Amino acid sequence: DAKTTQPTSMDCAEGRAANLPCNHSTISGNEYVYWYRQIHSQGPQYIIHGLKNNETNEMASLIITEDRKSSTLILPHATLRDTAVYYCIVRVGGGSQGNLIFGKGTKLSVKP
Amino acid sequence: DAGVIQSPRHEVTEMGQEVTLRCKPISGHNSLFWYRQTMMRGLELLIYFNNNVPIDDSGMPEDRFSAKMPNASFSTLKIQPSEPRDSAVYFCASSLAPGTGNTIYFGEGSWLTVV
Repeated sequence: DAKTTQPTSMDCAEGRAANLPCNHSTISGNEYVYWYRQIHSQGPQYIIHGLKNNETNEMASLIITEDRKSSTLILPHATLRDTAVYYCIVRVGGGSQGNLIFGKGTKLSVKP
Repeated sequence: DAGVIQSPRHEVTEMGQEVTLRCKPISGHNSLFWYRQTMMRGLELLIYFNNNVPIDDSGMPEDRFSAKMPNASFSTLKIQPSEPRDSAVYFCASSLAPGTGNTIYFGEGSWLTVV
């Protein structure tokens, strides 16, 4: 079972920041937080991941709370092409358990 | 890099026929995953290989499904005989060895319809 809880859907105005929350209250010390998104009819696309520290790349920023029980994905300037289902996933970083267990995700709709 | 390559992209077949889906992982990756996606069940992990060896096949629905990885650059997922409830999008994904936050990259999927 997925170990994360996300809102079912969210709306965001084009050009504004999209903040997608995720709860992972049972996360273990060696589990990473991963974010993927899936645009209709395409394969899941990697966005960003982190363990403890906040992370930023060309697509997004990931803010992880100090207790690591929740995180927020930030798309700084959402565009219509960011409309997708966003998945927050916790994944064991080491050993043989390397797979991703997907939940239902958040359907983000970016509106003009 | 060409990414994870899957074939066929779309297949329509009749119930009872054998279906073979193919996957070429990203060069240098030694972990390979097969996922299935349906509206009802979302994305489900079917099987996971590491260094061509199946590590976890607990998600394979039943004996009609089988997966092989004869070498590091090729994997197949076979359904025999196929049934209408197997209609879904099947994704293949690959990554470097699990650990230290390696990223899993997905292909574009194989859309299967069994009539």
